[in-house]
Amino acid sequence: GESVGLHLPTLSVQEGDNSIINCAYSNSASDYFIWYKQESGKGPQFIIDIRSNMDKRQGQRVTVLLNKTVKHLSLQIAATQPGDSAVYFCAAVNNYGQNFVFGPGTRLSVLP
Amino acid sequence: DVKVTQSSRYLVKRTGEKVFLECVQDMDHENMFWYRQDPGLGLRLIYFSYDVKMKEKGDIPEGYSVSREKKERFSLILESASTNQTSMYLCASRRGAREQFFGPGTRLTVL
Repeated sequence: GESVGLHLPTLSVQEGDNSIINCAYSNSASDYFIWYKQESGKGPQFIIDIRSNMDKRQGQRVTVLLNKTVKHLSLQIAATQPGDSAVYFCAAVNNYGQNFVFGPGTRLSVLP
Repeated sequence: DVKVTQSSRYLVKRTGEKVFLECVQDMDHENMFWYRQDPGLGLRLIYFSYDVKMKEKGDIPEGYSVSREKKERFSLILESASTNQTSMYLCASRRGAREQFFGPGTRLTVL
């Protein structure tokens, strides 16, 4: 079946460094992709999304890169801060938004 | 801001009990979803609803049922709770094909 997976379950970075979180998906028909941030004890929150006809999208301190050739997307967080500590997961959306497939998540820890 | 609320943050129930998890959204979204979240497995869709009184099975509906009597409210029901239903339950809503907005989650423990 369809799947979305992350390469690393945990990631530790020094405060101020850049973070890169990766995600792979299986369905080449996915329409767009979303990155979520989930802090401890809270529900997931939308960070950024990217449509399948794009290869890069930037937000505030975050950039998402999409490589459709290898079915891979990444989330880059610039100048990582303690408040960025959370679980990050990606979702692949297809069938005109009818189907969301979520990855298992990467726990990002920011070291002082 | 869209607000999705869930009736309980933490619940402890015994095997065989009937459990109700309530979800309310305040943005008039047509679509509402129930997921469970387990370590290493990501979010798995239990049931969803595209309109009042409509319900569709997701990927793991066994052992669950749902009710959507009003547009803003979507309830998840565990008819007879079992220990393998211990999990984090997340409700979400969205309008059309846009991003989903999640509630804070209910951590259910079944003893």
